[in-house]
Amino acid sequence: AQSVTQLGSHVSVSEGALVLLRCNYSSSVPPYLFWYVQYPNQGLQLLLKYTSAATLVKGINGFEAEFKKSETSFHLTKPSAHMSDAAEYFCAVSEPLNAGGTSYGKLTFGQGTILTVHP
Amino acid sequence: SQTIHQWPATLVQPVGSPLSLECTVEGTSNPNLYWYRQAAGRGLQLLFYSVGIGQISSEVPQNLSASRPQDRQFILSSKKLLLSDSGFYLCAWVGLAAYNEQFFGPGTRLTVL
Repeated sequence: AQSVTQLGSHVSVSEGALVLLRCNYSSSVPPYLFWYVQYPNQGLQLLLKYTSAATLVKGINGFEAEFKKSETSFHLTKPSAHMSDAAEYFCAVSEPLNAGGTSYGKLTFGQGTILTVHP
Repeated sequence: SQTIHQWPATLVQPVGSPLSLECTVEGTSNPNLYWYRQAAGRGLQLLFYSVGIGQISSEVPQNLSASRPQDRQFILSSKKLLLSDSGFYLCAWVGLAAYNEQFFGPGTRLTVL
């Protein structure tokens, strides 16, 4: 079974500071990994995804994440936080469709991390 | 391009009343469809998913049901709402060529009083 752990339900940074949101996963096969962002009362928007190509993945809004198999991690970073980055962020894992399993495209989400950006 | 719609955007219902939330997808065919519930501070819980018309899989036992009467339509229902059904309901779809990347609708905020 897959699982995702996001360390820290709340992260607070100053504007211009580094953003680091942590995600560790558990999967029996090489996974697909995703980061989504959710603004209040809105749906989820995909930030970036890892699909077994480059281990350093660049996404929208200046975010990037690095897949580290040895650490089973997929942490999200941004060099300089902006006020507009304040939102809730979700890490998710999925089995590839060719893994022989019955994932049916299902994602397993972490509990989310609320990012607060202070002026 | 593909778009996903959900309605209503907000809903306030009394305990014991019925529920029907609708989700439709445009610009794609034969998508996998998903219903999630997001309760305050509890992340996303997958409720149902569907890989085709009339095919519904339930992830958790609960007071809700789902149906897929058409290829791009997914409906979430309840005969009698409970207080615990309050939450933010999200519909999502995935195309098989998209590495399981799910695209989410704008959500429905349900408050049961």
